[in-house]
Amino acid sequence: DQQVKQNSPSLSVQEGRISILNCDYTNSMFDYFLWYKKYPAEGPTFLISISSIKDKNEDGRFTVFLNKSAKHLSLHIVPSQPGDSAVYFCAGDRNTDKLIFGTGTRLQVFP
Amino acid sequence: GAVVSQHPSRVICKSGTSVKIECRSLDFQATTMFWYRQFPKQSLMLMATSNEGSKATYEQGVEKDKFLINHASLTLSTLTVTSAHPEDSSFYICSARDREGKNSGNTIYFGEGSWLTVV
Repeated sequence: DQQVKQNSPSLSVQEGRISILNCDYTNSMFDYFLWYKKYPAEGPTFLISISSIKDKNEDGRFTVFLNKSAKHLSLHIVPSQPGDSAVYFCAGDRNTDKLIFGTGTRLQVFP
Repeated sequence: GAVVSQHPSRVICKSGTSVKIECRSLDFQATTMFWYRQFPKQSLMLMATSNEGSKATYEQGVEKDKFLINHASLTLSTLTVTSAHPEDSSFYICSARDREGKNSGNTIYFGEGSWLTVV
């Protein structure tokens, strides 16, 4: 049972435009949802999170939206930059349990 | 932010030998550490959860006798790949949960990862 899903394995966006990465989940018990960015041969780095009681969190160019009724969250990056090219993982977190990752979406931002 | 360090970052070993990877939380105490393996098609697979002073909890399909996990202190967990085979070659990543992190939205920090190549 895959509790967190990222159905798009890859996404290609032009520099300056908006990147929208999507994530769906099945477990309603998550306290937080997190987005991580990962480069090849490196560990994931934390980007932004959202509490399950919120519907939006914004940090600079990154905004995460949570739709609990649809069990869906999305990460918006605007404007996209070439340095944003990486694999993005969403994850669900219960503070007393393990982090559950999605399968990742490879974002490529081209000039 | 909090720092988690993995060592070694790269290791090559011969088939049949064992290799140990260390994961340390440098500036916080970690009640729980996690070990992941990254497969070629980018997904991160959780292998096991280790709690300080107790036995690790392995995910389904992960051989506990092959991937020995020890969490001897609140700042150190080790993964030992025993009798390594070429198919064990992979990128292994650990993470640690900050026991003091509460409602911060991010209480888990990742190491840099370790490349294992079995020849």
